[in-house]
Amino acid sequence: AQTVTQSQPEMSVQEAETVTLSCTYDTSENNYYLFWYKQPPSRQMILVIRQEAYKQQNATENRFSVNFQKAAKSFSLKISDSQLGDTAMYFCAFMKHPGANSKLTFGKGITLSVRP
Amino acid sequence: EAEVAQSPRYKITEKSQAVAFWCDPISGHATLYWYRQILGQGPELLVQFQDESVVDDSQLPKDRFSAERLKGVDSTLKIQPAELGDSAMYLCASSYTGMQPQHFGDGTRLSIL
Repeated sequence: AQTVTQSQPEMSVQEAETVTLSCTYDTSENNYYLFWYKQPPSRQMILVIRQEAYKQQNATENRFSVNFQKAAKSFSLKISDSQLGDTAMYFCAFMKHPGANSKLTFGKGITLSVRP
Repeated sequence: EAEVAQSPRYKITEKSQAVAFWCDPISGHATLYWYRQILGQGPELLVQFQDESVVDDSQLPKDRFSAERLKGVDSTLKIQPAELGDSAMYLCASSYTGMQPQHFGDGTRLSIL
């Protein structure tokens, strides 16, 4: 079974600064996907970024980038130029390479607060 | 506003009562998921449908929970009877196929008194 660990329960960052959220996972699979999802207060969960395990290049989406270390089973999210709208819970999630079962396994999440 | 529609947004009921949640996925999405999210935790899968067929319901407490997607479009999740420990957010998600990103609805927040 897969497990996803987010050991930091909460973090705070000043607006316009950079913050890194940590995530580790455990799996015996070789092919899989990793995700970061954002859940703002009382709003829907939205996908921030996705990384395919077979790709060595780290994924980037505008101000969001990841540091994917497959051997270390580490998948951190870097948010550059933090904005007030980035305040949310962030979840790291794992998916086995999709076959019939494509469920997401989530970590416990981290609450990020961006200070003005 | 979420493209995956869920109702109701909030539900308060007493233990031992029956409760039902409804989800309408994005049009054309064959895969539908129900997750339960306890406050302060990450979501956990309850059931996954591919069209009208159940793919995974290994974590669904089948003595009290049931889920259906009769025509392969919208879906209903039911709890009968509800227990105090069922208080949580119930999230529905859908994807075009299992390989595509999952899109989540706003969820139904259930409180059991």
